[in-house]
Amino acid sequence: NAGVMQNPRHLVRRRGQEARLRCSPMKGHSHVYWYRQLPEEGLKFMVYLQKENIIDESGMPKERFSAEFPKEGPSILRIQQVVRGDSAAYFCASSPQDGGVEAFFGQGTRLTVV
Amino acid sequence: GEDVEQSLFLSVREGDSSVINCTYTDSSSTYLYWYKQEPGAGLQLLTYIFSNMDMKQDQRLTVLLNKKDKHLSLRIADTQTGDSAIYFCAETLKGGTGKLIFGQGTTLQVKP
Repeated sequence: NAGVMQNPRHLVRRRGQEARLRCSPMKGHSHVYWYRQLPEEGLKFMVYLQKENIIDESGMPKERFSAEFPKEGPSILRIQQVVRGDSAAYFCASSPQDGGVEAFFGQGTRLTVV
Repeated sequence: GEDVEQSLFLSVREGDSSVINCTYTDSSSTYLYWYKQEPGAGLQLLTYIFSNMDMKQDQRLTVLLNKKDKHLSLRIADTQTGDSAIYFCAETLKGGTGKLIFGQGTTLQVKP
């Protein structure tokens, strides 16, 4: 049973470009959480999705950021018109049920904006 | 409000015990977690404790929870160099969506 898969592991974008980060949850998991880790900081919650639904986006910046989890395929975190301050590690976690005790994390995507 | 605090750095000698501390502000925590992050890697769940428990032991790991003081600790017995990493305390809240609220992490340095 493969774990949570994130790709790419490293992503470099120039200012103004778009970044697309992908997350495939563990098999059988239908709940996905995205977190952002700025350098030297802890993880901050961004968004919680179930298949085809955004449940909680209270941690998402109001502009340029969006997320989806379609019926088929991975969850996507999309950042438009990236700025240097978007440079961070973005982690995805999945769980099998709402409020599930254990959330399993991917290896993260490290985004660098140059 | 939701706030989780940790000390930033701890240094111990190999073979000693390590104690990493965490405080939280929200009294409606349901579960409290300890995660380990090695350089360039994702987060590995070490252990968790339900909020109505006082203690949980799992091999070299002991978690203590003081609900009155909103204090959580992780004790690692016989610390090894492979335990060097960043340790994050996190909580989920009652009635929440399962999102994790993290502390800023404690860097554990184990000297041989």
